[in-house]
Amino acid sequence: QSALTQPASVSGSPGQSITISCTGTSSDIGGYHYVSWYQQHPGKAPKLMIYDVSYRPSGVSNRFSGSKSGNTASLTISGLQAEDEAGYYCSSYTSINSRVFGGGTKLTVL
Amino acid sequence: QVHLQESGPGLVKPSETLSLTCTVSGGSISSFHWSWIRQPPGKGLEWVGYISYSGSTNYNPSLRGRVTISLDTPKNQFSLKLSSVTAADTAVYYCARTPIGRNWFDPWGQGTLVTVSS
Repeated sequence: QSALTQPASVSGSPGQSITISCTGTSSDIGGYHYVSWYQQHPGKAPKLMIYDVSYRPSGVSNRFSGSKSGNTASLTISGLQAEDEAGYYCSSYTSINSRVFGGGTKLTVL
Repeated sequence: QVHLQESGPGLVKPSETLSLTCTVSGGSISSFHWSWIRQPPGKGLEWVGYISYSGSTNYNPSLRGRVTISLDTPKNQFSLKLSSVTAADTAVYYCARTPIGRNWFDPWGQGTLVTVSS
């Protein structure tokens, strides 16, 4: 199974909005409503930010939102803050009952 | 609040078997899937596999044949064994929880670095 495709890096200024894309196939993202997103600060474990495409766990800021269109999922962060600078990974369920991650995107807050 | 903690040797020789344990505290190991996920230094995440509270397993096809995940319910622990390791298996190994019938990982352990080297 191939990793989902994410841009290697994105950047934005404080207060702006950014979107990170995650592209798969009809056998993973396109076929199911099971995309999740994780935030990872350097040296730390990943943290769940979005599940089932667009749902936020309790305690996650409403500045984070998720969506999906066809084989591509997206994570949008609005009102960028310095603390949002981190790595972001998408994940999806697959047609062979497996799980696959994206390659990760490094977000820089300018 | 449930807490996961990985433990095991930080150095394994090539061709040998990597063994790690994840201890679950603050909650029962029942009614969840328990996963291992790894991250090579400077690289992305890779799902290794999971074991259900019932004992059923599911592994990443790319690792099938080398990976075994087992459960010790009385100790609230689950374990990973990865055989015939090479330098490509050097990674931070995380354990994580998934609700049955769901497809996200939360929470995660802090991770443990395993280096494969002679």
